[in-house]
Amino acid sequence: QVQLVQSGAEVKKPGASVKVSCKASGYTFTGYYIHWVRQAPGQGLEWMGWINPNSGGKNYAQKFQGRVTMTRDTSISTAYMELSRLTFDDTAVYYCARLPQLGLPIDDWGQGTTVTVSS
Amino acid sequence: SYELTQPPSVSVSPGQTARITCSGDALSKQHAYWYQQKSGQAPVLVIYKDIERPSGIPERFSGSSSGTTVTLTISGVQAEDEADYYCQSIDNSATYVFGTGTKVTVL
Repeated sequence: QVQLVQSGAEVKKPGASVKVSCKASGYTFTGYYIHWVRQAPGQGLEWMGWINPNSGGKNYAQKFQGRVTMTRDTSISTAYMELSRLTFDDTAVYYCARLPQLGLPIDDWGQGTTVTVSS
Repeated sequence: SYELTQPPSVSVSPGQTARITCSGDALSKQHAYWYQQKSGQAPVLVIYKDIERPSGIPERFSGSSSGTTVTLTISGVQAEDEADYYCQSIDNSATYVFGTGTKVTVL
């Protein structure tokens, strides 16, 4: 079965960067985009962007351009999301996910990684 | 970028019908997807391509589309349907966006 396993919780200071990993298994890693979605406490879902593990192509939400970097290592079926210049507003649960693609009902989520920005 | 607007909350008695709307200009050209998120859990896809239901999703969940508004309907609401619901769409440049979210309360 498809599994997306994320790295553990992080606590960072304002201005720092955080890098979250997402290890995929149970399917062909290069066959499906990996998306990153975050959810601040008590707030809604916010799409951050996707990476195409096959080509390395990316598409970032306008809000995060210049601050987010998505990468992948196909040798270990792992995707990464790095967010820089953190502020208190970046405190959230960060999910990696496979979302619908080409109209297909693809729906797999990691367990979420809590990132807390605190001084 | 574009926006998808949902009502903040919907309340419904058990056995009744809940309807959740999602509005956005892009919906006249692009498909919508609906997710259910229960407290402390990751979202689950309940409707894709406006009206299709993934395998394993109960028949009481259905979707419809008209112009720039899509609707998720839950018929015969059960207590277990209490959750947050989000619409989602994709624009021509493969940018994804989620709706503002609707909290469904079962009275």
